[in-house]
Amino acid sequence: QVHLVESGGGVVQPGGSLRLSCAASGFTFSSYGFHWVRQAPGKGLDWVALVSNDGSQKFYGDSVKGRFTISRDNSKNTLFLQMDSLTSEDTAVYYCAKVSWPSKSARSFLDYWGQGTLVTVSS
Amino acid sequence: DIQMTQSPPSLSASVGDRVTITCRASQGISNDLAWYQQRPGKVPTVLIYGASTLQSGVPSRFSGSGSGTDFTLTISSLQPEDVATYYCQKYDSAPWTFGQGTKVEIK
Repeated sequence: QVHLVESGGGVVQPGGSLRLSCAASGFTFSSYGFHWVRQAPGKGLDWVALVSNDGSQKFYGDSVKGRFTISRDNSKNTLFLQMDSLTSEDTAVYYCAKVSWPSKSARSFLDYWGQGTLVTVSS
Repeated sequence: DIQMTQSPPSLSASVGDRVTITCRASQGISNDLAWYQQRPGKVPTVLIYGASTLQSGVPSRFSGSGSGTDFTLTISSLQPEDVATYYCQKYDSAPWTFGQGTKVEIK
């Protein structure tokens, strides 16, 4: 069965950095693209970034472009999100989510989500 | 970028009622639309993809329709376990934008 486990969240000061990880199991990791989606406390879902199955294509939401970097290590079945220049607006639960169709990151919905990891940006 | 607008932001209905949520895209997205359910304190799960295809394991009281710019999620007979916030999402291309959500409560 598909299992996604995020880690790396915590409290960080404004301007600081944090690296999130998402460990995957139960399927062929290298065949699927992955998204990061976040949710600020009491707010809706906010799409953050997508990486294709082979890591060659990366897309970012406007609010994180230039500050966040999505990457993956297919040898370790792990997805990453490097977050730099953090502000209070980045405070949220961050979810990793798998795309539904192999080798087809665009035009694929999100079929499995991790439990999320909380990032709090505060002085 | 294409904007996704959901309505209403919230609704309250009785058990057994038919509930309809709409999602409008600012430009056509074919049928590349999914609906997600997020129960309180839980992780989102997909209900419908391709605008109208029910994800495996989802109760048949949920249905979706639409294409292009206008989409609808219908719950044919509202149940207590359907209390949740529902989100639409476009997935035709970047950015993979979500609607603002519709909170469904029991009257």
